[in-house]
Amino acid sequence: EVQLVESGGGLVQPGGSLRLSCAASGFTFSSYWMHWVRQAPGKGLVWVSRINSDGSSTSYADSVKGRFTISRDNAKNTLYLQMNSLRAEDTAVYYCARDRGGGDYFDYWGQGTLVTVSS
Amino acid sequence: SYELTQPPSVSVSPGQTARITCSGDALPKQYAYWYQQKPGQAPVLVIYKDSERPSGIPERFSGSSSGTTVTLTISGVQAEDEADYYCQSADSSGTVVFGGGTKLTVL
Repeated sequence: EVQLVESGGGLVQPGGSLRLSCAASGFTFSSYWMHWVRQAPGKGLVWVSRINSDGSSTSYADSVKGRFTISRDNAKNTLYLQMNSLRAEDTAVYYCARDRGGGDYFDYWGQGTLVTVSS
Repeated sequence: SYELTQPPSVSVSPGQTARITCSGDALPKQYAYWYQQKPGQAPVLVIYKDSERPSGIPERFSGSSSGTTVTLTISGVQAEDEADYYCQSADSSGTVVFGGGTKLTVL
């Protein structure tokens, strides 16, 4: 059974940093592109970032470019999102999602981890 | 920036057909995908590549495409289908884009 379990969320002050993790199991993690998608409270889904299967290629939404870094450790079956210079508007539930097959769409999602940026 | 436009809400009675539209200029050239999200839960893929249905998704869910508009159709709506529905595609640069979401209410 495919499972994606996010962790690392919490309360952080504006300007602070946080690293999210997504532990994957039930599939060959190293064969799949992965993404982060976020959802602010009561709002819609917003794509954040993607990484290819071996970690050599990454992409970001303009809103996080230069502040967030996506990475992965295929030996540990884990996806990461390093978030720096956090702003109030980054407050959201962050989901990791598996790319179905290089098509930039998502067949499995984690349960999400809440990041709250507030003083 | 590229946008996908959905109606904020759609309401139908049980057993009727719900149609949720999604409009975007790049949709003739890019596939669209649909997700269902119930309160407090992660999204679930219900349609991919405009009209394909993943295994485990009921047959009452279908998708279609015409020009710059794609449509999610739910035939014989059931109470359990009440949820938010999001379309998703990509722009010409490969940036993933979601629509604003449509709240389906089953009366």
